[in-house]
Amino acid sequence: SFEVKQSPSVSVSPGQTARITCSSDALAKQNGHWYQQKPGQAPVVVIYRDTERPSGIPERFSGSSSGSTLTLTISGVRPEDEADYYCQAPDISGTYWAFGGGSRLTVL
Amino acid sequence: EVQLVQSGAEVKQPGESLKISCKVSGYIFRNHWIAWVRQMPGKGLEWMGAIYGGDSDTRYSPSFEGQVTMSVDESVSTAYLQWRTLKASDSAKYYCARDTGRRAGLDYWGQGTPVIISS
Repeated sequence: SFEVKQSPSVSVSPGQTARITCSSDALAKQNGHWYQQKPGQAPVVVIYRDTERPSGIPERFSGSSSGSTLTLTISGVRPEDEADYYCQAPDISGTYWAFGGGSRLTVL
Repeated sequence: EVQLVQSGAEVKQPGESLKISCKVSGYIFRNHWIAWVRQMPGKGLEWMGAIYGGDSDTRYSPSFEGQVTMSVDESVSTAYLQWRTLKASDSAKYYCARDTGRRAGLDYWGQGTPVIISS
């Protein structure tokens, strides 16, 4: 099996920028995705293929990739962005997937 | 409109069997993979594996291989997740999701099925 590591939880004030990172060896050659999960709700994809934003996701959500690390950036954080964020990465073959351990964003 | 509607909450005893379902609509079932994701109470998401609607090709995470069985019934556009012998550690919420893999990830999700295993 393979490991997907996420940065620890982050706390920011409204209007600030939050960054969450995710690393896995396969991400150097494969794309990953980011999900937001609010309490009691199913997850929602907020970034796919490293940098793409689905329709309906606010522009303040962006993704980037460098080497084997993905970064989710939320610019101008709003109170409603408080949630758990998970990255999802494949193995080197792209066949099997795993989630990172999750990062809780707290908006102060 | 794409929808994945999962079966309701289950309360079972250890040793019993269980099969939960995920009925999809709004897209061609046989053209997509369905993933199953476990979330234990207060914990993170775990990708259990995925099954292809068209031919039942299945990929299990090594952590779940042999522990669960995924299946589909294309005639009713439904995916299933089943256990032969439940354990208390199977207590969790189970989500199904349309799995587009590298293309766009898990783009549509069911509402989740809570499973409680208790004697």
